[in-house]
Amino acid sequence: DGGITQSPKYLFRKEGQNVTLSCEQNLNHDAMYWYRQDPGQGLRLIYYSQIVNDFQKGDIAEGYSVSREKKESFPLTVTSAQKNPTAFYLCASSIAWTGAQPQHFGDGTRLSIL
Amino acid sequence: GENVEQHPSTLSVQEGDSAVIKCTYSDSASNYFPWYKQELGKRPQLIIDIRSNVGEKKDQRIAVTLNKTAKHFSLHITETQPEDSAVYFCAAKYGNKLVFGAGTILRVKS
Repeated sequence: DGGITQSPKYLFRKEGQNVTLSCEQNLNHDAMYWYRQDPGQGLRLIYYSQIVNDFQKGDIAEGYSVSREKKESFPLTVTSAQKNPTAFYLCASSIAWTGAQPQHFGDGTRLSIL
Repeated sequence: GENVEQHPSTLSVQEGDSAVIKCTYSDSASNYFPWYKQELGKRPQLIIDIRSNVGEKKDQRIAVTLNKTAKHFSLHITETQPEDSAVYFCAAKYGNKLVFGAGTILRVKS
């Protein structure tokens, strides 16, 4: 899973600030995903992208935005509209979005509010 | 709706014993069921997966069984070791996305 790189590892957000989390993959995967993980909970899907220049809202998209201008990159912006952003954010990718394809994860970004 | 229930939420076993974690899903069209292991502060790592056309899959000390009729699947770890201690997540594929269970904290006591 060394092919998925998330940065930074830790991020702090001030009130009213937008912050962007980076996710890069060199696996030549078509599909990419963003998940949020809160303590003691499973992973919840924020956004996913099936292919370049396309993305879809997941289950908890409010307060977040994404772009997919390049196949290898899928940055996530946590906007000021997200009132409870403190969480562990995980990016994942899979070969394709159709069929039974395993998802592989990055090391995550831990976001906290200052 | 899209739901995956996972039990138990915590599991403590003695080293060398077996551990079993069970998940249930609601959509009969689900066809892919992966299991992930996550150590504290690290990324989830795929440890085994199963597709709906098979009932069981094994990889060394780890096995997964699938009962499509009852809509449940289970992770079995035999001869547990301290390094098996982690959080384990099951997931089921609903349409074009994975839905995850809430996780099971496994503690292996030596």
